Amino acid sequence: GENVEQHPSTLSVQEGDSAVIKCTYSDSASNYFPWYKQELGKGPQLIIDIRSNVGEKKDQRIAVTLNKTAKHFSLHITETQPEDSAVYFCAASRYTGGFKTIFGAGTRLFVKA
Amino acid sequence: SQTIHQWPATLVQPVGSPLSLECTVEGTSNPNLYWYRQAAGRGLQLLFYSVGIGQISSEVPQNLSASRPQDRQFILSSKKLLLSDSGFYLCAWTVGVSNTEAFFGQGTRLTVV
Repeated sequence: GENVEQHPSTLSVQEGDSAVIKCTYSDSASNYFPWYKQELGKGPQLIIDIRSNVGEKKDQRIAVTLNKTAKHFSLHITETQPEDSAVYFCAASRYTGGFKTIFGAGTRLFVKA
Repeated sequence: SQTIHQWPATLVQPVGSPLSLECTVEGTSNPNLYWYRQAAGRGLQLLFYSVGIGQISSEVPQNLSASRPQDRQFILSSKKLLLSDSGFYLCAWTVGVSNTEAFFGQGTRLTVV
């Protein structure tokens, strides 16, 4: 079946450094790739997304890149801050009469002050 | 504005007991609705999704079932809970046929004892 691999599972960085999380997906029909941030005890919230017709997207300190040929996409956070500490999920989605969204296993990011 | 309500927030149930988790959406019509489960330290597993009243798609065969009795109501049920049903259950919704952001509820932490 379809799956999304996400690495690393845990990432610890010093405040101000950059953090990179990488994902690969198997379903070549996926055309929408959101990234969610989940804080403890809460539901995930979208932080950035990218569609299959775009290779890169940036929003302030957050950027996402997509390589459809290799089925890779990555999240880049620059100038990390302690409040960036959370679990981040990548996902690959396609419409099948409802959105079939497959999530990665998550990356727990720790930003040390 | 659109909101999603999910309850209860926490639940402790004995093995073999029934389960009913409810999710309702306000401020939108004909949403696509989803139930996800998040096991401890793991990603989000899609359990069910629904594109309309009475229309349920199951992603993972298991001890759970879902129903959509009204347009903006989605219910997750079980007749007899297993220990392996423990986890964090999240309801989510999207609207339309274009890939869009999924909005998540606050989640229900279920512990089966």
